[in-house]
Amino acid sequence: NAGVTQTPKFRILKIGQSMTLQCAQDMNHNYMYWYRQDPGMGLKLIYYSVGAGITDKGEVPNGYNVSRSTTEDFPLRLELAAPSQTSVYFCASGHRLYEQYFGPGTRLTVT
Amino acid sequence: GENVEQHPSTLSVQEGDSAVIKCTYSDSASNYFPWYKQELGKGPQLIIDIRSNVGEKKDQRIAVTLNKTAKHFSLHITETQPEDSAVYFCAASNNAGNMLTFGGGTRLMVKP
Repeated sequence: NAGVTQTPKFRILKIGQSMTLQCAQDMNHNYMYWYRQDPGMGLKLIYYSVGAGITDKGEVPNGYNVSRSTTEDFPLRLELAAPSQTSVYFCASGHRLYEQYFGPGTRLTVT
Repeated sequence: GENVEQHPSTLSVQEGDSAVIKCTYSDSASNYFPWYKQELGKGPQLIIDIRSNVGEKKDQRIAVTLNKTAKHFSLHITETQPEDSAVYFCAASNNAGNMLTFGGGTRLMVKP
């Protein structure tokens, strides 16, 4: 199993550009999550999904959108990137809230 | 919503010593408390967790204790080794049981 994979590993965006961060898991997990981690800080939940077709907002959803058309994939869309979205983004999955498996992260810089 | 505070933010110990990291939470309905270890350049990895019906849980050199009355829980690492050096995060579930709120992290440095 590859576990949770994320692409790209690094990305630099200009202010106002848009992009999609990809996340895929091959463990047949129903629950998937997107977090952001700012330097020296803990993780903040952006969006989560409890199954295909179902998504919900987390703590910091503004400026982001998600979709979950399949069990495996959970892409995160940034529209009109702003410097405040500079962060490391982690995707995670699990059978439930418990025992979340994290991907390696995407480091995003918005300048 | 839930608020989780974690202390200390950095901790330096000598190899072989014990390390203790403490967290407090605000939502008395929280019932799940995991600990994650994050090595440099990697995603967090679950190392141990505890549920509210248990006061203590051990797994080899690591243990977690929970005091629901005081709303705090702690991670204990005994006989620390250089490979224990990492950032450790505590977390607590929300009352709906569908989200985790993370503490700010503790950078543990184990000196050989």
